[in-house]
Amino acid sequence: KQEVTQIPAALSVPEGENLVLNCSFTDSAIYNLQWFRQDPGKGLTSLLLIQSSQREQTSGRLNASLDKSSGRSTLYIAASQPGDSATYLCAVSGGANSKLTFGKGITLSVRP
Amino acid sequence: DVKVTQSSRYLVKRTGEKVFLECVQDMDHENMFWYRQDPGLGLRLIYFSYDVKMKEKGDIPEGYSVSREKKERFSLILESASTNQTSMYLCASSPGGLRTDTQYFGPGTRLTVL
Repeated sequence: KQEVTQIPAALSVPEGENLVLNCSFTDSAIYNLQWFRQDPGKGLTSLLLIQSSQREQTSGRLNASLDKSSGRSTLYIAASQPGDSATYLCAVSGGANSKLTFGKGITLSVRP
Repeated sequence: DVKVTQSSRYLVKRTGEKVFLECVQDMDHENMFWYRQDPGLGLRLIYFSYDVKMKEKGDIPEGYSVSREKKERFSLILESASTNQTSMYLCASSPGGLRTDTQYFGPGTRLTVL
């Protein structure tokens, strides 16, 4: 059974810092990996999706990498801002049209 | 933009009541999902549907049922609500088929069962 782990559960950084959020998964036979953002009391918003054949994806100040063989992904946030404060969740899919397995998320706080 | 809407943002019900949570998507997606989210447990899949009138159990289907009579609408039903079903409920949809698009989430319904 696939398990997705995100450590630490919470992170606090000063504004302007570059930071890396980690995600690990136990079964490397994934179809894709996604990073989501969740603001308090709200739904999830997709940030980046990496197909299993890809190594990374970029969107603005965000860059997500995938190392399938080692079961790891990182989300890199450049020049962090207070508006980046949210919970970031990683999720993997086992196949096309397959359900997602989520990590428990990392709650990020960016201090002004 | 894809829009997934849920019928209520906040809901308070009594133990034993029958509860309906409605989800509607406007992008003709084939797949729809219901999750619950609890502190320390993360998101857990309750039920999902790949087509009209079709449903599949997720990881925690006990105490829930679903209905999908139309493609755009996926309902979660709590036949007899219990206090341990107090949670945030999130609906999602995705295009389906062989596409590997992401899931699009609604804003969530925070259900409290007293």
